[in-house]
Amino acid sequence: GENVEQHPSTLSVQEGDSAVIKCTYSDSASNYFPWYKQELGKRPQLIIDIRSNVGEKKDQRIAVTLNKTAKHFSLHITETQPEDSAVYFCAASISNFGNEKLTFGTGTRLTIIP
Amino acid sequence: KAGVTQTPRYLIKTRGQQVTLSCSPISGHRSVSWYQQTPGQGLQFLFEYFSETQRNKGNFPGRFSGRQFSNSRSEMNVSTLELGDSALYLCASSPGPGGEAFFGQGTRLTVV
Repeated sequence: GENVEQHPSTLSVQEGDSAVIKCTYSDSASNYFPWYKQELGKRPQLIIDIRSNVGEKKDQRIAVTLNKTAKHFSLHITETQPEDSAVYFCAASISNFGNEKLTFGTGTRLTIIP
Repeated sequence: KAGVTQTPRYLIKTRGQQVTLSCSPISGHRSVSWYQQTPGQGLQFLFEYFSETQRNKGNFPGRFSGRQFSNSRSEMNVSTLELGDSALYLCASSPGPGGEAFFGQGTRLTVV
């Protein structure tokens, strides 16, 4: 089955700097890669996603890149703010009719230092 | 539009008992998935239902089961509870194949 590895497990950056979180996946058939943000005591919330027919996607300060050949994808947060502090999870799935199983990475605890 | 609703929010059960958790998806969403979240194992997939049919199942023992009703609401059941079943159980709904998954607040189960 699919296996997703996520690095680093913890990350501290100065406010205003950039943060990068990287994930690798094992199943070349995976075609959907969402990123979730989970604040303490709250539900995971989708912040950005990318599909395998796209190499990069941006939404304001957040961007995700996908390298299908190398089977890795990354989350980039620029101009970090204190409210970006949370645990971030990457996930991968083979998203088609009959298979909606998300395999998650182990999470990255991001701390923004004011 | 109301979000994904899970009930109850908190549960304390004794080893050997069984428990049923409920999930009401976003209106119009037909796919419901369940995940177990623990500090040690992260988010692990339990099973996924679409139109009352289980389409995928994760690597959990048969004590974990679920079902989906015609209105897309879903329940999961854990029988013969073990201490290791203590976790946050999250439900996610999506409109269908390829759709974004939206999570509920979760049910925190503590087994004593």
